Amino acid sequence: EPEVTQTPSHQVTQMGQEVILRCVPISNHLYFYWYRQILGQKVEFLVSFYNNEISEKSEIFDDQFSVERPDGSNFTLKIRSTKLEDSAMYFCASSVEQGRSNQPQHFGDGTRLSIL
Amino acid sequence: DQQVKQNSPSLSVQEGRISILNCDYTNSMFDYFLWYKKYPAEGPTFLISISSIKDKNEDGRFTVFLNKSAKHLSLHIVPSQPGDSAVYFCAALNYNTDKLIFGTGTRLQVFP
Repeated sequence: EPEVTQTPSHQVTQMGQEVILRCVPISNHLYFYWYRQILGQKVEFLVSFYNNEISEKSEIFDDQFSVERPDGSNFTLKIRSTKLEDSAMYFCASSVEQGRSNQPQHFGDGTRLSIL
Repeated sequence: DQQVKQNSPSLSVQEGRISILNCDYTNSMFDYFLWYKKYPAEGPTFLISISSIKDKNEDGRFTVFLNKSAKHLSLHIVPSQPGDSAVYFCAALNYNTDKLIFGTGTRLQVFP
């Protein structure tokens, strides 16, 4: 079964440094998402992306965050100047359609981001 | 943001018995509800969903019930198997939006 692939599985970065998290969505999917889960908390929506632009973003997704689909397969999340509170598990997801329960979002296994 | 709540952090059930996981929500405008299962070191895996216009959806051992008047849904697993041991997340969605809103999860342990 096709799956969403995320790299790296664990990223350790010094505070203030830039970090790029990478995702390869399922090949025929058109909608792409980033979520995060801080340890012990809920999975939270960050941003959605369709047709090469952001379609929705949360209040967490401030100017330090950006997303890009640099080619036909990768989808990246960049954090420009990391903070301690950015430490979390970051999940990429993709779906064929938007907002349909019979076309759910499929998640990758996540990247654990640790900010020192 | 407490729009979706799972009030039981954990549940322990004997193999072969029924597991019932509960979820409450506050936003009556949600159009769909989904259940995801998550194993350690893996991402959430879609399990089953239900539209807000229905009150039941069944897929094999998994059944989701929706009570709109009570703003409550539940996931029934019958019979429970040890491989079902995982964290189960309830999530809600509005039509034409991208944002899944998750509950805090319930850790299910199925013992022999």
